[in-house]
Amino acid sequence: GESVGLHLPTLSVQEGDNSIINCAYSNSASDYFIWYKQESGKGPQFIIDIRSNMDKRQGQRVTVLLNKTVKHLSLQIAATQPGDSAVYFCAERALGGATNKLIFGTGTLLAVQP
Amino acid sequence: EPEVTQTPSHQVTQMGQEVILRCVPISNHLYFYWYRQILGQKVEFLVSFYNNEISEKSEIFDDQFSVERPDGSNFTLKIRSTKLEDSAMYFCASSEMMNTEAFFGQGTRLTVV
Repeated sequence: GESVGLHLPTLSVQEGDNSIINCAYSNSASDYFIWYKQESGKGPQFIIDIRSNMDKRQGQRVTVLLNKTVKHLSLQIAATQPGDSAVYFCAERALGGATNKLIFGTGTLLAVQP
Repeated sequence: EPEVTQTPSHQVTQMGQEVILRCVPISNHLYFYWYRQILGQKVEFLVSFYNNEISEKSEIFDDQFSVERPDGSNFTLKIRSTKLEDSAMYFCASSEMMNTEAFFGQGTRLTVV
């Protein structure tokens, strides 16, 4: 049967270029954010996280930026490689409360052209 | 590197049948979760589990669903009477503490026919 799903935003980049993937979150009570990478047929893989008392955090080839004023999160990948091709999800969680669930965003498909 | 493992990788079942999805969380983790992802859609929270009881569940997690930690290593999700719309990837995850990163398994693809 026909499947109905979300139309994923797609970012197409050339190998070696920098990639920027954006995410808008909705809950102002969220104060912990995570980026996950999901390759086809696999589970979400943790990339980097950031807490709301920070606005920038760097990892290996990745940087996450948080703008709480406009509730915006971005993931920057330096020198993008073919192995970076995947769907990238941002997720949010409200720290300090009763909930520890992650709320995932829609996802962005990153396609790296060799 | 420690990882969350799930079995089976793919389960096909007839509508109305019971299924049990199995997970082995990372050994020193205390918090366990089930999420699901319908094809082409977002990853959705189902349930979290701590200290041998459910700490939170979503609207999706109705009476047809249950979770159990039958021994010191396994964490299971049971669907009592499967429906076509239960077809999805089911991901188990675990975290060491409540506010630390969650590690996901590779998922079980459940197909209800």
